[in-house]
Amino acid sequence: DTGVSQDPRHKITKRGQNVTFRCDPISEHNRLYWYRQTLGQGPEFLTYFQNEAQLEKSRLLSDRFSAERPKGSFSTLEIQRTEQGDSAMYLCASSFLGIDPYNEQFFGPGTRLTVL
Amino acid sequence: KQEVTQIPAALSVPEGENLVLNCSFTDSAIYNLQWFRQDPGKGLTSLLLIQSSQREQTSGRLNASLDKSSGRSTLYIAASQPGDSATYLCAVRPDTGANSKLTFGKGITLSVRP
Repeated sequence: DTGVSQDPRHKITKRGQNVTFRCDPISEHNRLYWYRQTLGQGPEFLTYFQNEAQLEKSRLLSDRFSAERPKGSFSTLEIQRTEQGDSAMYLCASSFLGIDPYNEQFFGPGTRLTVL
Repeated sequence: KQEVTQIPAALSVPEGENLVLNCSFTDSAIYNLQWFRQDPGKGLTSLLLIQSSQREQTSGRLNASLDKSSGRSTLYIAASQPGDSATYLCAVRPDTGANSKLTFGKGITLSVRP
């Protein structure tokens, strides 16, 4: 298993365009999280899934943001009508809620979004 | 609302020095605490995870301690090396509810001088 992967690693877009990011979690992990990190700050929680169900969304996730996890495997995060304030690193993490009592989260390399 | 603080924001030490990175949190109702390393422009690498019932965890030159009642954790790095230069973040998971989202500090950027 190669860990959590994210695609693309970098995305440059113009203001007003839509962008979509993909996250592939570690196999068999049933929980998947999205976080956003701006320069000089720690990551902030956006949303999480347990299997295919989106169980919580942060107030940071405006109506321009939508996340899906069809079939409980990979997840996509879409941002519509991007704004310069959306420029950040978008991090995905996965964990296994079940046998592992720690439910440790493992992070991917992130997608760096720059909105011009 | 849980708040996690890491002070100072940056630290520079000579190679070989033993050092301690501090993390404090306001709500002691945590399930566990994780320390992460982040290299510039990269994702997070988990270093150590301490359950709320544990006092410390060790991995190689790293030792993390947890004092849940006082809302503090420390990451001890022995015999620091230039390769340890990175940003170190601590994060706590709440003890309430099903959500295991992490609340992060802003991190401490460590520079180890050769």
